[in-house]
Amino acid sequence: NAGVTQTPKFQVLKTGQSMTLQCAQDMNHEYMSWYRQDPGMGLRLIHYSVGAGITDQGEVPNGYNVSRSTTEDFPLRLLSAAPSQTSVYFCASRRPGPGETQYFGPGTRLLVL
Amino acid sequence: EDKVVQSPLSLVVHEGDTVTLNCSYEVTNFRSLLWYKQEKKAPTFLFMLTSSGIEKKSGRLSSILDKKELFSILNITATQTGDSAIYLCAVDQTGANNLFFGTGTRLTVIP
Repeated sequence: NAGVTQTPKFQVLKTGQSMTLQCAQDMNHEYMSWYRQDPGMGLRLIHYSVGAGITDQGEVPNGYNVSRSTTEDFPLRLLSAAPSQTSVYFCASRRPGPGETQYFGPGTRLLVL
Repeated sequence: EDKVVQSPLSLVVHEGDTVTLNCSYEVTNFRSLLWYKQEKKAPTFLFMLTSSGIEKKSGRLSSILDKKELFSILNITATQTGDSAIYLCAVDQTGANNLFFGTGTRLTVIP
């Protein structure tokens, strides 16, 4: 199993550009999430999904869109990048239910100029 | 409002020292508390705690949960430079779909 994979590893954008951060998992996990990590802020939830076709907003959803057309994939879209979106983005997945830990991808470092 | 607070925010120790990291929480429908270690990339799982007073142990790392006082501690004995990382505490809540993370403690172990 590859686990949770993310691409790209690093990206530089100009303000106003759009891009999609890719996330895939091969563990057949129903739950998938996107977090951003900023210095001193811990991990903050952007969007999450509890299954194909179902998504919902987390703590900091503004400026981001998601979709979940398959169990495996959960892309995160930035429609018009802003410098405030400079961060490290982590995708995660888990099975539902108690006792299930969360598995993280390696992260995407995004710099918006 | 739910919150998970970790202390200290950062810590610098010498190799061989013992450290204690703290995590306190105020959340609804608490189910379990998890500790993660984050080095350069993704967080990696350390422990999951669901019951008070039962110590989880892995090598030089151990952790315990107090559900009455709403906190957990992570102990690392005989620290090594490889223990340098951010340690994240997260709470799992019944009925929630995601973990709720604290801000983390950055541990630096110097030779």
